[in-house]
Amino acid sequence: EIVLTQSPGTLSLSPGERATLSCRASQSVSSSYLAWYQQKPGQAPRLLIYGASSRATGIPDRFSGSGSGTDFTLTISRLEPEDFAVYYCQQYGSSSWTFGQGTKVEIK
Amino acid sequence: QVQLQESGPGLVKPSQTLSLTCTVSGGSISSGGYYWSWIRQHPGKGLEWIGYIYYSGSTYYNPSLKSRVTISVDTSKNQFSLKLSSVTAADTAVYYCARVRATVPLYFDYWGQGTLVTVSS
Repeated sequence: EIVLTQSPGTLSLSPGERATLSCRASQSVSSSYLAWYQQKPGQAPRLLIYGASSRATGIPDRFSGSGSGTDFTLTISRLEPEDFAVYYCQQYGSSSWTFGQGTKVEIK
Repeated sequence: QVQLQESGPGLVKPSQTLSLTCTVSGGSISSGGYYWSWIRQHPGKGLEWIGYIYYSGSTYYNPSLKSRVTISVDTSKNQFSLKLSSVTAADTAVYYCARVRATVPLYFDYWGQGTLVTVSS
């Protein structure tokens, strides 16, 4: 099973700042199979990025994804108040899906 | 717009079977092209994929839960269901149903709102 490790666990930033979230895989992941989700308290996760770098429908362009192999990054260029949430990366491999443990982006 | 809605008991006794149903609206399970999945989230923790079913009835389960999980589909009702047997307190979680494309890239694009299931006597 491929394990995804996200860092940092918590990111304390102010609105307007840039957020850089990391997702590292225990073995190489096809970029096609790497996605990012945003989850707010009491809500289901929402798809942000798929295929490592493609934005889902309706996702603002301040969200971007990059990376390949074992290292992937989600960047939020300028944090808006509604962006403070928990972010998860997800990969698909060997007919199974696994998620990272999440990075919480909190208001500083 | 596709919508998914989980339903089922919020409290299950230890050793019993957890049963949940997901009702899909705005799209037909039998049209194919998607896997219909169950995912859970332990309180304050991350996400764990449980398994999926295709409209044809083919299934695949998380190996760590495979011995206790059964997912079934009722295309006439546009529903799919989860059964998890021999539950313990460790199965207390919010359970989500979700849709995933059956072709690359495979991501979860629609989710239910989630339902909390507590295992307690």
